[in-house]
Amino acid sequence: DAGITQSPRHKVTETGTPVTLRCHQTENHRYMYWYRQDPGHGLRLIHYSYGVKDTDKGEVSDGYSVSRSKTEDFLLTLESATSSQTSVYFCAISESGSHQPQHFGDGTRLSIL
Amino acid sequence: DQQVKQNSPSLSVQEGRISILNCDYTNSMFDYFLWYKKYPAEGPTFLISISSIKDKNEDGRFTVFLNKSAKHLSLHIVPSQPGDSAVYFCAAKGSGNTPLVFGKGTRLSVIA
Repeated sequence: DAGITQSPRHKVTETGTPVTLRCHQTENHRYMYWYRQDPGHGLRLIHYSYGVKDTDKGEVSDGYSVSRSKTEDFLLTLESATSSQTSVYFCAISESGSHQPQHFGDGTRLSIL
Repeated sequence: DQQVKQNSPSLSVQEGRISILNCDYTNSMFDYFLWYKKYPAEGPTFLISISSIKDKNEDGRFTVFLNKSAKHLSLHIVPSQPGDSAVYFCAAKGSGNTPLVFGKGTRLSVIA
């Protein structure tokens, strides 16, 4: 298994609170990604990073921000959580190069009440 | 506007037979295609990939076929085993630093 750790694995919180999810890798891969998975939607990209302090938006970035201050850590923040952000969040990593597969962590199940 | 489509939400196959999962795409700039398998409460696991310069790639029981003119790819699993029961995602990307685009998944059930 690729060395990817997501924390926490489960979280329940209330609408309006800030939430930060962490992704930690031990593979020294350049690229890191955050996805959300919802029934009927598959996996949708939120944000990704192509290096320390280099990030870009994905398909569903509204309401989310990210930071990458070290190669191994990629943080996803919901500044003010809403019920529509209840989902399973997956982090992925990949090596440099156009034809490199992404490898995923085991996910964080987030419930916003 | 879905760029990657898996039109069958579910598929049931008997153990030992062939499973064929299908995927269609619309973006002609896609040149790298992947299949992932996902069990409940786990992250997707990379299975097999193919670049657009090939039309077939094989890895053990898994073979991916690419038909560029039809913008169609398929994953064949032979023989199917009960442990293959999972959700399978098709994904595609263009060259360079472009993100993966995923289909919505097909749930495969292999019946003993």
